[in-house]
Amino acid sequence: QKEVEQNSGPLSVPEGAIASLNCTYSDRGSQSFFWYRQYSGKSPELIMFIYSNGDKEDGRFTAQLNKASQYVSLLIRDSQPSDSATYLCAVNNQAGTALIFGKGTTLSVSS
Amino acid sequence: DAGVTQSPTHLIKTRGQQVTLRCSPKSGHDTVSWYQQALGQGPQFIFQYYEEEERQRGNFPDRFSGHQFPNYSSELNVNALLLGDSALYLCASSLKGPVDTQYFGPGTRLTVL
Repeated sequence: QKEVEQNSGPLSVPEGAIASLNCTYSDRGSQSFFWYRQYSGKSPELIMFIYSNGDKEDGRFTAQLNKASQYVSLLIRDSQPSDSATYLCAVNNQAGTALIFGKGTTLSVSS
Repeated sequence: DAGVTQSPTHLIKTRGQQVTLRCSPKSGHDTVSWYQQALGQGPQFIFQYYEEEERQRGNFPDRFSGHQFPNYSSELNVNALLLGDSALYLCASSLKGPVDTQYFGPGTRLTVL
């Protein structure tokens, strides 16, 4: 059973701080990794994807991938109250068809 | 640029009934995937359609079936509804290629009474 694990949280950070969200996966054959943000009652919104080891930056967001450790993370710099949401980590299956999701980490940014 | 659309937004059914959910992919996309998201859980993969055929299926019973039309839109059908089928049903579209980046529609909230 291929799995993606995330801490459910809640993760609470003050406004302006760095939020660090972590995810581990079990399938060593996974090639593509995604972070989605989901506000309460809404559908997941793609934030970033990464498929090479190392860091990938997009504005206030940085995704980090370490395939040897089967670990992917998302850093949010200068956190804002509007970043308060559930963050879902997803991994492609080896066929590249299905996304396998973790249960998500709830982030709360206080002003 | 039209995003992924789904209909209806909400639906209430009773046990044993059948339901059909609809999805239109993002402009330029040719692949549609369906997911079920129970409260407090991550989305779970139901199946994916490409070139009007089911390419892969997740761990869901045969009560769940689908279809893709020549214009790439898709339907999800669920027969003999159970209380446990109550969930948010998400459609995601993508363009088949080296990396299958999937974009989600707003979802259909199904409640089974």
